[in-house]
Amino acid sequence: DAEITQSPRHKITETGRQVTLACHQTWNHNNMFWYRQDLGHGLRLIHYSYGVQDTNKGEVSDGYSVSRSNTEDLPLTLESAASSQTSVYFCATRPETNTEAFFGQGTRLTVV
Amino acid sequence: GNSVTQMEGPVTLSEEAFLTINCTYTATGYPSLFWYVQYPGEGLQLLLKATKADDKGSNKGFEATYRKETTSFHLEKGSVQVSDSAVYFCALSGDSNYQLIWGAGTKLIIKP
Repeated sequence: DAEITQSPRHKITETGRQVTLACHQTWNHNNMFWYRQDLGHGLRLIHYSYGVQDTNKGEVSDGYSVSRSNTEDLPLTLESAASSQTSVYFCATRPETNTEAFFGQGTRLTVV
Repeated sequence: GNSVTQMEGPVTLSEEAFLTINCTYTATGYPSLFWYVQYPGEGLQLLLKATKADDKGSNKGFEATYRKETTSFHLEKGSVQVSDSAVYFCALSGDSNYQLIWGAGTKLIIKP
């Protein structure tokens, strides 16, 4: 079955370190999204991509970057981790405008 | 711009009670509407959707009707179970946009 996989599921890192969270999908969907989920804020969009070599900033993109070198992967990089980036991160794909989005299981990141 | 407002939680009910979680939206054009559910420690999964006015989405005993006149998409279930305890998200997608606009989420707690 096609799926979307995030890794790692849990990570603890130190302030100032660079961290990369992986997202891999096997549906061949062009549209991929990264969200963070925090209590009281719901889901907030960090970055998104509509295809290879396309990346766009979401509402909370400061301190994060993404790259899209192929259809399957959209890694999320925290350039210099900060305690404010402690959160649960979700990757999602979506094939069309009136279809559902498919989510990964999430990565719980703690910055100490 | 587009937005989604859903009732704040947590909502606490006894088993077999009737459930309503309110969701209203602001959007131009003809958006698609979604309800997602997130069980503890998991990613989000689609519960139901409606893509045009007066459509009723249904799944697992849950229902929601797309009401354009009241710009609402309220989630209902006639008899909740302990296993329905989760966080529920209402979401909207514009008719020409791949992004989803999310409500803040409503935590539902069902007591036996």
